[in-house]
Amino acid sequence: AQSVTQLDSQVPVFEEAPVELRCNYSSSVSVYLFWYVQYPNQGLQLLLKYLSGSTLVKGINGFEAEFNKSQTSFHLRKPSVHISDTAEYFCAVEGAQKLVFGQGTRLTINP
Amino acid sequence: DAGVIQSPRHEVTEMGQEVTLRCKPISGHDYLFWYRQTMMRGLELLIYFNNNVPIDDSGMPEDRFSAKMPNASFSTLKIQPSEPRDSAVYFCASTGEGWFDGYTFGSGTRLTVV
Repeated sequence: AQSVTQLDSQVPVFEEAPVELRCNYSSSVSVYLFWYVQYPNQGLQLLLKYLSGSTLVKGINGFEAEFNKSQTSFHLRKPSVHISDTAEYFCAVEGAQKLVFGQGTRLTINP
Repeated sequence: DAGVIQSPRHEVTEMGQEVTLRCKPISGHDYLFWYRQTMMRGLELLIYFNNNVPIDDSGMPEDRFSAKMPNASFSTLKIQPSEPRDSAVYFCASTGEGWFDGYTFGSGTRLTVV
């Protein structure tokens, strides 16, 4: 069965610093991967998705992710974070026609 | 479109009472999902519907939970009787062509059972 593991439950960074949120997946078939963001007291919203094609995927708010089949990873990156990026980030993989979410990574931005 | 609309936003109820959560998906979306989010267990898929028909309810924790979708624009999740361990944020999400479109989530209902 498909699953994802988010390797860090919390990531603190300073404002304007780069950040990487790590996600590893497990899948025995074609892989379709997603990153979602959840701001405080809100629902999840789609950041970006990988279905096929280029392994570097660009999303909203300056985020990008790279699909690495050999390492079974789909890490999320941003070169320079802002206070407004403070949120929880979820990696997800398609499995049996529905999305399976990771446990989430809480990104905290320090001024 | 106003997005996925959930009501109420907050619900506080006493143990043993019936609780009904409501969801209006985006017009034209064929799939509707109910998730539960807690600190301990993260995001759990409870049930999902396709064209108003329940497809997979394997995540429904027990018989106290039930979900219906009487038409394409409305779904309910009912807990009867409620227990303190049901306290969580419940999200509804919908999508059009299936999983590859990505889901649109509602703002959630924060349920507290005391």
